[in-house]
Amino acid sequence: GEDVEQSLFLSVREGDSSVINCTYTDSSSTYLYWYKQEPGAGLQLLTYIFSNMDMKQDQRLTVLLNKKDKHLSLRIADTQTGDSAIYFCAESTGGYNKLIFGAGTRLAVHP
Amino acid sequence: NAGVMQNPRHLVRRRGQEARLRCSPMKGHSHVYWYRQLPEEGLKFMVYLQKENIIDESGMPKERFSAEFPKEGPSILRIQQVVRGDSAAYFCASSPESGGGGYEQFFGPGTRLTVL
Repeated sequence: GEDVEQSLFLSVREGDSSVINCTYTDSSSTYLYWYKQEPGAGLQLLTYIFSNMDMKQDQRLTVLLNKKDKHLSLRIADTQTGDSAIYFCAESTGGYNKLIFGAGTRLAVHP
Repeated sequence: NAGVMQNPRHLVRRRGQEARLRCSPMKGHSHVYWYRQLPEEGLKFMVYLQKENIIDESGMPKERFSAEFPKEGPSILRIQQVVRGDSAAYFCASSPESGGGGYEQFFGPGTRLTVL
């Protein structure tokens, strides 16, 4: 079946790196996504990775994919207070691109 | 180019009433997805529509819920005889293409439904 799991909370100090982890169960996942949700807002796509890739870097964001362990992580370098939000991991298996979301990790950045 | 628009942003209904949620996709987008987010949870897929067609409604409850995306006008998610458990944020997303993944879904700001 399809299931995506994330830890619920992460607290980091401003300037440190944040690492948010995600595991998924569907081995046929073709794309994996990271979305950011700020309070009262919709979802903003941060980055995505195709399942045949191991890593993707985009400015302060680094995505690592371990397909064997079905583990995805998002690293945010030099975390800022503006990064405080809920981060959702999601997978799709192609076809209609229906997204399966994790419950979200709430990132709190403190001075 | 305006983003995905949803209205109303907040909707309050009493048990037994009907709720109508509207979604206008981004210009040029012909694919619409509806998701529901219960408090403290992730988003759950409900239905995927193309113009005038429901493609996948596997995530939508069989009773009381319906969705449409007419040739003209916004996509509508309709909930009849609402119950307290329908209280949630309902998000619409649109994309220009689908199939094979990798095409970004652009999300609207959501409609927060409260059932009293």
